Amino acid sequence: EIVLTQSPATLSLSPGERATLSCRASQSISTSLAWYQQKPGQAPRLLIYDASNRATGIPARFSGSGSGTDFTLTISSLEPEDFAVYYCQQRSNWSPFGGGTKVEIK
Amino acid sequence: VQLVESGGDLVQPGGSLRLSCAASGFTFSSYAMHWVRQAPGKGLEYVSAISSNGVTTYYANSVKGRFTISRDNSKNTLYLQMGSLRVEDMAVYYCARDTKQQWLPTFAFDIWGQGTMVTVSS
Repeated sequence: EIVLTQSPATLSLSPGERATLSCRASQSISTSLAWYQQKPGQAPRLLIYDASNRATGIPARFSGSGSGTDFTLTISSLEPEDFAVYYCQQRSNWSPFGGGTKVEIK
Repeated sequence: VQLVESGGDLVQPGGSLRLSCAASGFTFSSYAMHWVRQAPGKGLEYVSAISSNGVTTYYANSVKGRFTISRDNSKNTLYLQMGSLRVEDMAVYYCARDTKQQWLPTFAFDIWGQGTMVTVSS
């Protein structure tokens, strides 16, 4: 069973700064990884699929990279609406999610 | 494009419940569908998936044998029949659409409902 580990658990940054979130898989998953954003009281929103493809309507400041076991979600310049929890997820029958990274305002 | 869940309620341990998810704004019968849950204050947990024609289903080990996913394409509705409920099943249950318009799921989710709360307590 594949386990996804996200780091850091919390990222404290200011608007305009660059955010770098990590997701590590316990074994190779090629590029079968998605990223989601979730704000309090809301459903998750798909940001990135297949490791690096932005979903429809997602701003260009969000980008994904990586393959195999190491993946990164980068937000190039944080907007106020980007402060949220971010989850990675492996696309598979088991579809494990990572534990999440909370991006909070510093 | 919208998904609206319903059916969440307070139920005793060992009880049963059926969740529904009404879809609109897209060709429901062309997409695989999923259930994902989130316990209070916790992360996301995958629950179940069903192919677009309802023939193929998938379950997390934690719910296998207790939950049954189904769909009625004539009613544009997804279901989750939950049985032998445990305290650890208490969560917000989201239905979600698969990203690809194809028979089998790709296990990425591009449209989510607002969720329905299932509380398991005596």
